[in-house]
Amino acid sequence: GAGVSQSPSNKVTEKGKDVELRCDPISGHTALYWYRQSLGQGLEFLIYFQGNSAPDKSGLPSDRFSAERTGGSVSTLTIQRTQQEDSAVYLCASSIPGPSTDTQYFGPGTRLTVL
Amino acid sequence: KQEVTQIPAALSVPEGENLVLNCSFTDSAIYNLQWFRQDPGKGLTSLLLIQSSQREQTSGRLNASLDKSSGRSTLYIAASQPGDSATYLCAVRTGGTSYGKLTFGQGTILTVHP
Repeated sequence: GAGVSQSPSNKVTEKGKDVELRCDPISGHTALYWYRQSLGQGLEFLIYFQGNSAPDKSGLPSDRFSAERTGGSVSTLTIQRTQQEDSAVYLCASSIPGPSTDTQYFGPGTRLTVL
Repeated sequence: KQEVTQIPAALSVPEGENLVLNCSFTDSAIYNLQWFRQDPGKGLTSLLLIQSSQREQTSGRLNASLDKSSGRSTLYIAASQPGDSATYLCAVRTGGTSYGKLTFGQGTILTVHP
């Protein structure tokens, strides 16, 4: 079956513009995660969706960042008024929650460059 | 706050060597621990998942152990090959449920040369 897909693969934008990043999780995976990986940095958790529960937004770095997940499937991460420090690779992952099924499957990422 | 540390930060070995990558975490109340590999410019690939009640998991030449009480995990790679060259990441899900936050270490960059 298809894995996690993300679009676009690359996005170059100007400072101050808004961007939307899309994630299509594996069908049937109720958990969806967004992470950010900056050059030379580790993986930074952003937000976590689990079924119909309220998302864990504790990792979002500022109120310019938001995410939604429609119909329990596709998710969109929106960054408003982008800044140069937002440049990073944004990774999405999905999983089936459970002690032995919690393996996260990652998409290839979206490389965002803010000029 | 959970903190995950990986040692060494980088490792370069000749082909054929057995090697150990280390991961430590500060909060032992974990749900599970996962090891991933990341190839340059690509996403992460899951290697092994160890539940909090387990001591180890094996997949092919890989063996991961977990000592929850001491906050440590090791990834053992047997008979290393150039294709094993990648960044290896350890991630811990804190808490007693699948709702816990996943915290990643900074990774170990492994280079296996022929």
